[in-house]
Amino acid sequence: GAVVSQHPSWVICKSGTSVKIECRSLDFQATTMFWYRQFPKQSLMLMATSNEGSKATYEQGVEKDKFLINHASLTLSTLTVTSAHPEDSSFYICSAPGLAGAVELFFGEGSRLTVL
Amino acid sequence: AQSVAQPEDQVNVAEGNPLTVKCTYSVSGNPYLFWYVQYPNRGLQFLLKYITGDNLVKGSYGFEAEFNKSQTSFHLKKPSALVSDSALYFCAVRDGPNQGGKLIFGQGTELSVKP
Repeated sequence: GAVVSQHPSWVICKSGTSVKIECRSLDFQATTMFWYRQFPKQSLMLMATSNEGSKATYEQGVEKDKFLINHASLTLSTLTVTSAHPEDSSFYICSAPGLAGAVELFFGEGSRLTVL
Repeated sequence: AQSVAQPEDQVNVAEGNPLTVKCTYSVSGNPYLFWYVQYPNRGLQFLLKYITGDNLVKGSYGFEAEFNKSQTSFHLKKPSALVSDSALYFCAVRDGPNQGGKLIFGQGTELSVKP
């Protein structure tokens, strides 16, 4: 199956700083990637759809200025949590549709963000 | 709007016994249905999918799921559970091919398999 790599796996930062999380498709090109957020023992909440070469599409209630998404190439999407606060602490997971014709999503290993 | 429900927060099974993790869905068109498994602090691993065809779908690690259109269900099953199957399981749905790949997930069911 298609491989999605996410980095960093763990990040701890101080309140007020910005954190960037990278999501790469390693063996395929992804014109679309999806960013999810997961709280402990809860489901995945879709935050936004990242589109290569154009603006991301955000889900209702997600702050565009807080969660900046950039999809500059066919293999890389980044999520930047700006001016992070403790309530932004969460598990962030990216995914991509995989190879052409695949309908399932392939997920990265996730990034655990802790804001002190 | 599409939605998925997993009515059980937790399922407990003895090793060697059959297991079932329940999922019901709601979509306006033809559903694309998926099961994923998540181990602690890890991403999601794809188990199986139903798009069309046979209602019984076989997937990874001996898991299978049965699509039931009349009951709008897609329960995950395994004939003989292993302790290593203990994890968090998510059912997901997509309303046909026209959602740009976006999946909507259920709440998750924690499966615990005891020796």
